[in-house]
Amino acid sequence: GAVVSQHPSRVICKSGTSVKIECRSLDFQATTMFWYRQFPKQSLMLMATSNEGSKATYEQGVEKDKFLINHASLTLSTLTVTSAHPEDSSFYICSAREDSRGRRDTQYFGPGTRLTVL
Amino acid sequence: GENVEQHPSTLSVQEGDSAVIKCTYSDSASNYFPWYKQELGKRPQLIIDIRSNVGEKKDQRIAVTLNKTAKHFSLHITETQPEDSAVYFCAAGYSTLTFGKGTMLLVSP
Repeated sequence: GAVVSQHPSRVICKSGTSVKIECRSLDFQATTMFWYRQFPKQSLMLMATSNEGSKATYEQGVEKDKFLINHASLTLSTLTVTSAHPEDSSFYICSAREDSRGRRDTQYFGPGTRLTVL
Repeated sequence: GENVEQHPSTLSVQEGDSAVIKCTYSDSASNYFPWYKQELGKRPQLIIDIRSNVGEKKDQRIAVTLNKTAKHFSLHITETQPEDSAVYFCAAGYSTLTFGKGTMLLVSP
């Protein structure tokens, strides 16, 4: 149980294009999902909290117009990197928090998306 | 906001030895402290967690201790095996999590 998928696993795009990443909770409902960014050999940095049916909450320094988040259902959140530039190249990982009582703190991570912007 | 410090950044042990990783946090409101294991290029996997109403938790070779007064918590791995080699992250928070910088554990056969 508590499986999170992420698609695509790897994407290469040209500078200026937009890229959409999907995060799905496969066997549980997740009112709340999280988007992280991880640079090589570094920690996970929270970018935003995705809330089903409402606007995402962005961390300080993260541009909400550049990193668009949509959480349209209890099992799907999407992150769109708009007008991507080489400095946006990174490993993007989502996590989902299970809604069931007693496990509401636990975050389960997706496999990550390696974005390379040329 | 929360600030999590994690030490050491790297840890090398011989197979069968114990490994201890320590973290401190700053926000007294944090009440959830998970530990994740991440192998190269893969997702972080939850290995154990502890909540603020508990001082210690054990799961086979893995244990976590929490001292809320001192705001620190530790991961203990006993009888280490080469497959324990990975990066370990601690985290602290309540609605969101703040992660430590990670500890690269290398277990030599």
